[in-house]
Amino acid sequence: NAGVMQNPRHLVRRRGQEARLRCSPMKGHSHVYWYRQLPEEGLKFMVYLQKENIIDESGMPKERFSAEFPKEGPSILRIQQVVRGDSAAYFCASSPGENNEQFFGPGTRLTVL
Amino acid sequence: GDSVTQMEGPVTLSEEAFLTINCTYTATGYPSLFWYVQYPGEGLQLLLKATKADDKGSNKGFEATYRKETTSFHLEKGSVQVSDSAVYFCALLYNFNKFYFGSGTKLNVKP
Repeated sequence: NAGVMQNPRHLVRRRGQEARLRCSPMKGHSHVYWYRQLPEEGLKFMVYLQKENIIDESGMPKERFSAEFPKEGPSILRIQQVVRGDSAAYFCASSPGENNEQFFGPGTRLTVL
Repeated sequence: GDSVTQMEGPVTLSEEAFLTINCTYTATGYPSLFWYVQYPGEGLQLLLKATKADDKGSNKGFEATYRKETTSFHLEKGSVQVSDSAVYFCALLYNFNKFYFGSGTKLNVKP
């Protein structure tokens, strides 16, 4: 059983471009969580999604960031018009439901030039 | 609000030394507590967890006890190895939706 998969592992964008980060949860998992890790810091919660629904987006910046988890396909975290401060590692986790362990992916390291 | 505070690093130890990484938390309810480990360039791996007061989590020689009276979940290992060098994160899971992570403690173990 493959673990949580994220791609790309590394992404370089110039200021003003768009970044799309993908997360494929573990098989059988319908809950996805996105976290951001700034350099030398811990992970900060961004958003929690179930299939086709955003459950909690209290950690998402109000502008430029969006997330989706469609019925088919991976979850996408989209950052429009990236700025240097968006440079970070973005981790996705999945679980089979509430009250269950979250399994983390390897992360996508975004660098904004 | 809910938060986790852990000791700052880096912590540098010689092989076979005793390890303690302090972690305290603030929570309005009854969270579950976790320790995760992150090796360079990798994601987080669950090391151990405890779901209620006085529970002890243990794995690979590491252990931590959920102390409600001191709101702590300190990580300990009796004899560290070079392969334990990594960043360790304490975290609480509250409302079953999202983790609150500490800022991480980097451990360097020298041969």
